[in-house]
Amino acid sequence: GAVVSQHPSWVICKSGTSVKIECRSLDFQATTMFWYRQFPKQSLMLMATSNEGSKATYEQGVEKDKFLINHASLTLSTLTVTSAHPEDSSFYICRATQGTNTEAFFGQGTRLTVV
Amino acid sequence: GQNIDQPTEMTATEGAIVQINCTYQTSGFNGLFWYQQHAGEAPTFLSYNVLDGLEEKGRFSSFLSRSKGYSYLLLKELQMKDSASYLCAVMDSNYQLIWGAGTKLIIKP
Repeated sequence: GAVVSQHPSWVICKSGTSVKIECRSLDFQATTMFWYRQFPKQSLMLMATSNEGSKATYEQGVEKDKFLINHASLTLSTLTVTSAHPEDSSFYICRATQGTNTEAFFGQGTRLTVV
Repeated sequence: GQNIDQPTEMTATEGAIVQINCTYQTSGFNGLFWYQQHAGEAPTFLSYNVLDGLEEKGRFSSFLSRSKGYSYLLLKELQMKDSASYLCAVMDSNYQLIWGAGTKLIIKP
């Protein structure tokens, strides 16, 4: 099946620094990328949706200046957590789809810990 | 509003059968997904139902009734490795996934 490669799988950073998370679709063109955040024992929370070549659409309550999303190509999307704080510590997961194809594929997830 | 309901936690015995229910209310319907998620890992796809009825895939089966807004995931011959969270998600008319909070399944020997 299709593969979405997400890295890093885990990262520890100091408060105030920025962290970039990458998701690459390895064998298909990801026209849409969804970025989720998941806190312990909770379900996935959609942060933003990005279409290749367009600005991302952010969910209510998600700061677009803090969580920068770039989807410059059909195979790569990045999420940058700027000026990270301990409350940003979470599990971040990307999910890629191709067109209106209902099948979608998750990256492996990134465990971010801000100290 | 849009809503997905599934039990928070279930316990079952190794070798047995367990059914995890999911009810939904969404604006439009383009299919229902079940995912398995082990702790600290990303969800993995289990099934997709868009028509009413039962879809069987090995030890796992998924059922859908669109008129009732209801689905269930049936796991047979439970193994210890099936201990995980099971997420129900519905794709609405805008092709957005609406997620349930997940059901934590605990398998006991």
